[in-house]
Amino acid sequence: GEDVEQSLFLSVREGDSSVINCTYTDSSSTYLYWYKQEPGAGLQLLTYIFSNMDMKQDQRLTVLLNKKDKHLSLRIADTQTGDSAIYFCAESKRTGGFKTIFGAGTRLFVKA
Amino acid sequence: DVKVTQSSRYLVKRTGEKVFLECVQDMDHENMFWYRQDPGLGLRLIYFSYDVKMKEKGDIPEGYSVSREKKERFSLILESASTNQTSMYLCASSLPTMGEKLFFGSGTQLSVL
Repeated sequence: GEDVEQSLFLSVREGDSSVINCTYTDSSSTYLYWYKQEPGAGLQLLTYIFSNMDMKQDQRLTVLLNKKDKHLSLRIADTQTGDSAIYFCAESKRTGGFKTIFGAGTRLFVKA
Repeated sequence: DVKVTQSSRYLVKRTGEKVFLECVQDMDHENMFWYRQDPGLGLRLIYFSYDVKMKEKGDIPEGYSVSREKKERFSLILESASTNQTSMYLCASSLPTMGEKLFFGSGTQLSVL
């Protein structure tokens, strides 16, 4: 199967950490991504991880990959109101050309 | 910065009309994509193109066609618009390199009445 699943909603308080989780089903996926969509805008690549890595850190963002469980997470430290957006998990694999499969998106709501 | 421009932000059409959605990218990307975004369903791939005059069906091509006459422009065509095609349409482009990071336009919200 090619499903990418993520919860649809997450609410956190400003200053707390946010953790957005994602599961995928295809173990041949080579790259996994997190995209961010702010209101009224298209998607913007936030960060990505190669499938042979288990962690990637970029400032306030930490991506964890558990390949055995096919589980990907995005942790946002010190969450700000500007982080309120929809976060999409996506997997990409080379099968006759790259194909990117997106999850349904997690809406992050940050309470001031 | 890569710029992907979609010609309309909002569009309202009537059932049965032929609809053209235009997308232009300025970074000489080989790959271009059309997705539709619906609440709770995420992004679903309609069509994509790896080269000029080349097109491939995505997961939900029914009711749509595409045109890529020039490298920078990828058009999505609804031959006869129907109400179930009311959606947000997102265009994206990428280079055929490792990882295929997608660059998205701002989207066109199409309402078919």
